[in-house]
Amino acid sequence: AQSVAQPEDQVNVAEGNPLTVKCTYSVSGNPYLFWYVQYPNRGLQFLLKYITGDNLVKGSYGFEAEFNKSQTSFHLKKPSALVSDSALYFCAVRDKNNAGNMLTFGGGTRLMVKP
Amino acid sequence: DADVTQTPRNRITKTGKRIMLECSQTKGHDRMYWYRQDPGLGLRLIYYSFDVKDINKGEISDGYSVSRQAQAKFSLSLESAIPNQTALYFCATSDPGTATYNEQFFGPGTRLTVL
Repeated sequence: AQSVAQPEDQVNVAEGNPLTVKCTYSVSGNPYLFWYVQYPNRGLQFLLKYITGDNLVKGSYGFEAEFNKSQTSFHLKKPSALVSDSALYFCAVRDKNNAGNMLTFGGGTRLMVKP
Repeated sequence: DADVTQTPRNRITKTGKRIMLECSQTKGHDRMYWYRQDPGLGLRLIYYSFDVKDINKGEISDGYSVSRQAQAKFSLSLESAIPNQTALYFCATSDPGTATYNEQFFGPGTRLTVL
């Protein structure tokens, strides 16, 4: 079975400060890992993914995430937060051996960036 | 993502009514999915379809049924709606044959309220 945990329901950051949104996962094999963002009244938008290779993955809007196999984590980061980054963020995992491409999503973390 | 559309965007109905949510996509993807989103629970998979003749139950299929009318259309039905089916419903697509393998593309969502 595969699972994802996002331990923080909400993260509050001041504009211009670095932000981190945490994600830990559990899979039986090697993981594919994803971050999605959901803006109000919109569907989920893909931010970035880790499939293989470099542990630091860069994505849209200046976001990046670091895959840490020993800690089974895939935290989302950005060096300088913008008010427009305020949204709901979802981490998702898929076991590489799952040919059906089923994603398991975390519960989501709401990011609030204050001016 | 404008390539994946959902109708209606909002729906209020009464307990016991039959409801159909529709999803259309112009991405040419074979794989389509229905999820529901509840606060704190992330997205949970209801049904998925790999092609017109292949439909599979997801994590929470009880009380739901689906129809894949064509490659581009995937409908979700609630045969007899109940209040705990009040949620935000998302349709998504993916295509394993493209460079964006593993990435899912989401529609804007349908907010369903069952009174």
